[in-house]
Amino acid sequence: EVQLVESGGGLVQPGGSLRLSCAASTFIFSNHWMTWVRQAPGKGLEWVANIKEDGSDKYYVDSVRGRFTISRDNAKNSLYLQMRFLRVEDTAVYYCARGPRTFFAPFDYCGQGTLVTVSS
Amino acid sequence: QSALTQPPSVSGSPGQSVTISCTGTSRDVGSYNRVSWYQQPPGTAPKLMIYEVSHRSSGVPDRFSGSKYGNTASLTISGLQAEDEADYYCSSYTSANTWVFGGGTKLTVL
Repeated sequence: EVQLVESGGGLVQPGGSLRLSCAASTFIFSNHWMTWVRQAPGKGLEWVANIKEDGSDKYYVDSVRGRFTISRDNAKNSLYLQMRFLRVEDTAVYYCARGPRTFFAPFDYCGQGTLVTVSS
Repeated sequence: QSALTQPPSVSGSPGQSVTISCTGTSRDVGSYNRVSWYQQPPGTAPKLMIYEVSHRSSGVPDRFSGSKYGNTASLTISGLQAEDEADYYCSSYTSANTWVFGGGTKLTVL
């Protein structure tokens, strides 16, 4: 079974920074696009960013472009999300998710998520 | 990158069928057969149910089916069961090489 374990969430003040990590196991990490998806409390899913297998391509939702940076370390089977200039509206559960290899979808599996709270 | 439009809620009795719509634009749903549907029971992570408009993910019962016409995709659940009660989200690839989700639909099994 695909294992994705997020960490790094917590409480941060507006304008602050936070770095999320995702440890992947049980599959060949370097063969997959990887994605971050978030869900504000009581709200719907929002696609945040994704990154190509080798890290050469990255895409972001407009609301985080220029503030968030997605990256990966294939040697460590890890995905990251560096978040800067955080806003109250960035408060959400952040899910690390795997892109499928053989069909098109935002993700086929995701982790249990890590909660980021932006508040003063 | 506006969210796709879904009805906030739908309901049905056990054994009945329900359909959830997902309306986008010519920049997303209308241009790509890359519409997916996710199921999220309360307090759990989302699960992929349908990909590329009408293909069921592994282990998903054939009671779940997907379709698309123009800028609108649909998820139909037939033979409703109590375990189907959850939030459902559609998603689509976009012309900006990103993905966008719908606002979600709460399915209640009466």
